[in-house]
Formats: sequence, structure tokens, C-alpha cells
Amino acid sequence: AQSVTQPDIHITVSEGASLELRCNYSYGATPYLFWYVQSPGQGLQLLLKYFSGDTLVQGIKGFEAEFKRSQSSFNLRKPSVHWSDAAEYFCAVGRTGTASKLTFGTGTRLQVTL
Amino acid sequence: EAGVTQFPSHSVIEKGQTVTLRCDPISGHDNLYWYRRVMGKEIKFLLHFVKESKQDESGMPNNRFLAERTGGTYSTLKVQPAELEDSGVYFCASSQPGDGPEKLFFGSGTQLSVL
Repeated sequence: AQSVTQPDIHITVSEGASLELRCNYSYGATPYLFWYVQSPGQGLQLLLKYFSGDTLVQGIKGFEAEFKRSQSSFNLRKPSVHWSDAAEYFCAVGRTGTASKLTFGTGTRLQVTL
Repeated sequence: EAGVTQFPSHSVIEKGQTVTLRCDPISGHDNLYWYRRVMGKEIKFLLHFVKESKQDESGMPNNRFLAERTGGTYSTLKVQPAELEDSGVYFCASSQPGDGPEKLFFGSGTQLSVL
């Protein structure tokens, strides 16, 4: 069965600092990988996705993620965090054929200090 | 264009009561999904409608949960009777036929608290 692990429940960074949120997955084939963000009172918004090809993918709001098959990881990064990035971030994996049936991690809550 | 709409945004009920959550997908989206996040845990798939038909309901936790999508438009998720462990955030999502997950649109969720 597929699974997603986000080991960090809560992370605090200073505005302007770099950010890396960790995601590890378990899946038997090449996965479809996603990062979503949920800001307070908002729905889940897709930040970026990986299906195939270049393992470094760019997303919205200046985020990027790197797929590393050898480490079963898909970590999310941002070089300089803004206060508006404070939110909860979810990593998810899907599979072909049922591509919209996603398996999510437990989420990482990001706090940004000024 | 309106997004996926869920209401109520919050619901507080007592154990044993009934609650009905509603989801209005984006117009024209045949696919409709329900997900749930219990406090501190992952967001879990509950079920998937294609139009009015249940395509996959493998994530429904038990028979206290009933999902419907009459006419293939909006969907309701009824919990009867509600238990403490049903507390959490219930998300709805929709997409067009054939669209992949990158075109899955989520609502803002319903926060359900069972006391």
C-alpha cells in the first residue's frame, strides 16, 4: 500500500530564511507526487507536482521540490520565506488509473517569525 | 467561476446527533471526492462519485456515514449518529472527467466537532 511520511509536524522559520519541508513516500512504482498548501480558512491549493522527467520541479509562490527516487523523497524548498507562507503543507502521492485518489501525509505546519 | 463550495464551514454537535455536510462542485465537474482529516492525522480519501454513481467508496469508515449525489450535482455527506471520533475536517474536491490530480480543486472544508 502506498504511504506518505512527513516527519516534521511543526516548523518555525524566520522571514527571509530558507525552508525545506521533508516528505518520504512508499510506493511500488513511479508515483505521482504533489505538494498542497492550506492557508487558514482556505481550501487545499496545489503548489506543484511531479509526474516524470526533470526531477526538480518548480511550483507557484516560489516553491520547488526535488524527486529523489533513491531516497524515496520529495522535499519542498523555498530559498526565502515570506510571512504569508505561514500555512499547513501536505505532501501527497497518487497513482495512475486512479490519479485523483490521493494518499496524503499528516502535514507540516509552518510558522514564520518576523 | 465559482470554486468548490462547502457548507457549513463549521458544525458543532453532540454525540448521537445527526449532521449533514454539503458540497457544491465546480459546474460541469463530474468527479466529486470526499476526504477527511482527523485531528493530527493525514487527510484520508472517503469516496469518489462520477456524476451520481459511487465509483469508489472504499474509504468510508463505517455505515454511520452516508454520501449521496442525487442528480449528479451537489453532494451530501450525512453522519448518523455522530461519534466523538468523527470530529475533523471534511474536504470535498471535484474535477472534470479524464482530468488528472493536478486539476483537482478542493473546497475549504467543513470543520466538524462532535462533543
